[in-house]
Amino acid sequence: GQSLEQPSEVTAVEGAIVQINCTYQTSGFYGLSWYQQHDGGAPTFLSYNALDGLEETGRFSSFLSRSDSYGYLLLQELQMKDSASYFCAVRDPSGAGSYQLTFGKGTKLSVIP
Amino acid sequence: GAVVSQHPSRVICKSGTSVKIECRSLDFQATTMFWYRQFPKKSLMLMATSNEGSKATYEQGVEKDKFLINHASLTLSTLTVTSAHPEDSSFYICSARTTGYEQYFGPGTRLTVT
Repeated sequence: GQSLEQPSEVTAVEGAIVQINCTYQTSGFYGLSWYQQHDGGAPTFLSYNALDGLEETGRFSSFLSRSDSYGYLLLQELQMKDSASYFCAVRDPSGAGSYQLTFGKGTKLSVIP
Repeated sequence: GAVVSQHPSRVICKSGTSVKIECRSLDFQATTMFWYRQFPKKSLMLMATSNEGSKATYEQGVEKDKFLINHASLTLSTLTVTSAHPEDSSFYICSARTTGYEQYFGPGTRLTVT
């Protein structure tokens, strides 16, 4: 089966750095994505890693190690608006069109002053 | 660019009635659209994948006769919840993709069945 594990909740202080880990066990793997979702809102795309290494986009970075089936999202210079749920998702080569995403359960990040 | 809309954003219906939710890609043609269901504070669960002009592929455990999906054009997919019951109350989110891997999500529809 498919499973992705990530911490359920993380709390961090404004201005700090936080890392959200994701480990996955899937029957196939094309890449790891990260999405942000504010309460009641739609998920928004943050990053995608298909190859090992670090991808940086502004204050957000994402890392992937395919040999370890592990990735993380790094948020720097935390702002109050970063309080949201963060989901890792594996792009699944099985199923219709090989573009399905299997989502983790999400990590609720709370940024405190 | 890459905007996906959903309508309605909220709907309350009585048990036994049917509800249609529309998902539109506003500025691009969607090769594939996906329908998800999300319970409060839970993850997104894929319900079905639909390609324009062909039948939707449903995930295991999702009743295709209860959740009717029509992907009539490259910019429109609809999800109809037939004979809705209170346990169908949920947040329904669609997403769409073009030729790349990235999925663009709609704002979601909050369905409450009384």
